[in-house]
Amino acid sequence: AQSVTQLGSHVSVSEGALVLLRCNYSSSVPPYLFWYVQYPNQGLQLLLKYTSAATLVKGINGFEAEFKKSETSFHLTKPSAHMSDAAEYFCAVKSFNRDDKIIFGKGTRLHILP
Amino acid sequence: DAGITQSPRHKVTETGTPVTLRCHQTENHRYMYWYRQDPGHGLRLIHYSYGVKDTDKGEVSDGYSVSRSKTEDFLLTLESATSSQTSVYFCAIRPGVSGTDTQYFGPGTRLTVL
Repeated sequence: AQSVTQLGSHVSVSEGALVLLRCNYSSSVPPYLFWYVQYPNQGLQLLLKYTSAATLVKGINGFEAEFKKSETSFHLTKPSAHMSDAAEYFCAVKSFNRDDKIIFGKGTRLHILP
Repeated sequence: DAGITQSPRHKVTETGTPVTLRCHQTENHRYMYWYRQDPGHGLRLIHYSYGVKDTDKGEVSDGYSVSRSKTEDFLLTLESATSSQTSVYFCAIRPGVSGTDTQYFGPGTRLTVL
């Protein structure tokens, strides 16, 4: 069965600092991995996805994530945080069951300090 | 914008009353999903559909039923609402049949059961 674990339910970084949101996955098969972002009072929006092509995946708004099989990780990074990055971020893995659903982590709320 | 609308966007109801939430899509995608989002739990799958009249249960389906009589509409019904069903409900669609396809989310329905 597939699962993801997000380390840290809240992360605070200063504006202009590096953003690092951690995600570790568990999967018995090569995983498909996603990062979604949720701004306040909105639905989820895809940031980026990994589907067994390049291990460094670039997404929207300057975010990127690197798939590391040896570490079973898919951490999300951004070199310089903006105030507009304040949101909740969800790591997710695709299920290979019949439902083809996406299994979400519990989320990390990113706070940007001025 | 994946052409997904949810109605109502907000609802307050009383324990024991039936409630139906509607998800409508304009793109005729085959797969549709209902999730609930609760603090500390991320998103959890309630039910999903892989075509008209083809539905199946997710991980938290107790107390919920669904129907899909048309491609564009996926209805979620709480037969007798309970306070534990107070949550934000998201509908999602998945274009295509490839397992790598992204899920796109609606804006959500905030349901409060008093």
